[in-house]
Amino acid sequence: AQSVTQLGSHVSVSEGALVLLRCNYSSSVPPYLFWYVQYPNQGLQLLLKYTTGATLVKGINGFEAEFKKSETSFHLTKPSAHMSDAAEYFCAVSDGWQGGKLIFGQGTELSVKP
Amino acid sequence: NAGVTQTPKFQVLKTGQSMTLQCAQDMNHEYMSWYRQDPGMGLRLIHYSVGAGITDQGEVPNGYNVSRSTTEDFPLRLLSAAPSQTSVYFCASRGQDEKLFFGSGTQLSVL
Repeated sequence: AQSVTQLGSHVSVSEGALVLLRCNYSSSVPPYLFWYVQYPNQGLQLLLKYTTGATLVKGINGFEAEFKKSETSFHLTKPSAHMSDAAEYFCAVSDGWQGGKLIFGQGTELSVKP
Repeated sequence: NAGVTQTPKFQVLKTGQSMTLQCAQDMNHEYMSWYRQDPGMGLRLIHYSVGAGITDQGEVPNGYNVSRSTTEDFPLRLLSAAPSQTSVYFCASRGQDEKLFFGSGTQLSVL
């Protein structure tokens, strides 16, 4: 069975600083990994995904994540935070096939200070 | 395309009442799912379906039923509502590129 752990329920950074949101997963088969973002009072939007191939994936709004199998991690980064990045971020894992169920982590709320 | 349409947006129930949350998608996706979102707990999978006539349990299925008679529709039934089912519910479908499309959510309060 898959599971996802997001380290830190709240992360606060200054505008212009590096954003690092941590995600570790557990899966008995090669995983598909995702990051989603949820802005206040909105649904979830896909930021980026890893299925196969290149382990460094780039997403929207300058975010990227690297799949590290040896560390079972898929951390999300952005070199320079912007005020508009303030939102809740969710890491998710599926078991790598079309019918695989998608399991989410608990979420990390990102605050950006001016 | 409308995407994923979820109704109602808001609902208040009394303990013991039953109701159905509706979900429909027009993207011909085989995979559909229901999540509940609670503060500090992320999104937890209730039930999911990989095609018409096929459903399976997720992480928190107790108290909920689903059916999938068509590719388009995936209703979620609360059999006897309890205060613990107060939550925000999201329906989602998934295409072949693994991208998940979410409905706008249903805010449910059980008194």
